[in-house]
Amino acid sequence: KAGVTQTPRYLIKTRGQQVTLSCSPISGHRSVSWYQQTPGQGLQFLFEYFSETQRNKGNFPGRFSGRQFSNSRSEMNVSTLELGDSALYLCASSLLTGVNEQFFGPGTRLTVL
Amino acid sequence: GESVGLHLPTLSVQEGDNSIINCAYSNSASDYFIWYKQESGKGPQFIIDIRSNMDKRQGQRVTVLLNKTVKHLSLQIAATQPGDSAVYFCAENFNDMRFGAGTRLTVKP
Repeated sequence: KAGVTQTPRYLIKTRGQQVTLSCSPISGHRSVSWYQQTPGQGLQFLFEYFSETQRNKGNFPGRFSGRQFSNSRSEMNVSTLELGDSALYLCASSLLTGVNEQFFGPGTRLTVL
Repeated sequence: GESVGLHLPTLSVQEGDNSIINCAYSNSASDYFIWYKQESGKGPQFIIDIRSNMDKRQGQRVTVLLNKTVKHLSLQIAATQPGDSAVYFCAENFNDMRFGAGTRLTVKP
């Protein structure tokens, strides 16, 4: 069974631009969670989607948004990029929402110049 | 990719020794805990989990201990191997997953 895939793997943007990242969960998994990983803050929860609905949201500004499609694939969008948005963005999928094992993708490395 | 900054706790062990990685969690109501391993250039990889109604769980070469009294988790790795070198995170679940800062484990051959 294929793992979680994320595209693109690397991205360079400039301040003020917007970016869309994509995540394809493991086949059959319906929950997708997004995380931001930085050296200073570690891994921080962004949001979780399950059956096309946002189930939970972390403490990030409204510039960070996401959505999930009927095939469980998910996208996250960051608008008006800031230098501090440079990070590794990780997507994790799980079979169900709630308390259960998550499988992470390799991440998208976003650099904002 | 690299996941932690310059001040990440580190643990260096000799190949074949046992490793113990510790983690303090924040919420006494957290009901599920996971240990992850993250190698350079990769996303976190699940190692072992434990629910709050247990205090010990064993896997292959790994054991997780949960002490709810002091909100402490530990990961024990038996007969540590060079391939175990990575950053290890604990995570607690209460509404959403919260991750610790991580510990960098280095195994010397």
